[in-house]
Amino acid sequence: EVQLVASGGGLVQAGGSLRLACAASGFTFSDYWMSWVRQAPGKGLEWVAYMKQDGSEKYYVDSVKGRFTISRDNAKNSLYLQINSLRADDTAVYYCARKKWELPVFDYWGQGTLVTVSS
Amino acid sequence: DIVLTQSPDSLAVSLGERATINCKSSQSVLFTSNNKNYLAWYQQKPGQPPKLLIYWASSRESGVPDRFSGSGSGTDFTLTISSLQAEDVAVYYCQQYYSSLSLTFGGGTKVEIK
Repeated sequence: EVQLVASGGGLVQAGGSLRLACAASGFTFSDYWMSWVRQAPGKGLEWVAYMKQDGSEKYYVDSVKGRFTISRDNAKNSLYLQINSLRADDTAVYYCARKKWELPVFDYWGQGTLVTVSS
Repeated sequence: DIVLTQSPDSLAVSLGERATINCKSSQSVLFTSNNKNYLAWYQQKPGQPPKLLIYWASSRESGVPDRFSGSGSGTDFTLTISSLQAEDVAVYYCQQYYSSLSLTFGGGTKVEIK
């Protein structure tokens, strides 16, 4: 069974940093692109970033470029999101999601971790 | 960026009746070289992460009931639930992947029981 368990969220002041992690199991992690998608409270979905199996390609939504860094450790079956210079509008549940093998849609999602930025 | 506009924002449908959700794209998501529409649909139930329902605008993900169907091409798409069940109460989102380096979602449509 595919499982994605995100952690690392919490309450942080504006301008601060957090590192989110996602532990994957039930599939060969190193075979898949992985992604982060966020959802502000009561709002819709926003794709944040995704990266290739070997880390050689990484793509971000414009609003987080230069502040967020996606990374992975295939030996640990883990995906990460380093979030710096946090702003109030970064407050959201952050989901890790697996990119479907052949196209950029997401076939498995974790439960998410909540990041709250206080001003 | 490609903007996806969903309508209506919410709808209430009686059990067993048809629910229809629309998604309009600001530009075509039809890739002419393979004649495929780069559009997906997700279902998000309260307190849960999204679930992939449909990709290529009309291909059902494995395990998705056949009462869910997708249609449309170019800029106008529809998700239809042919006979609404209680477990279908959720928010539904469309997503384009035509611009694979800038993925975007629609604003969501909430489906409730009348």
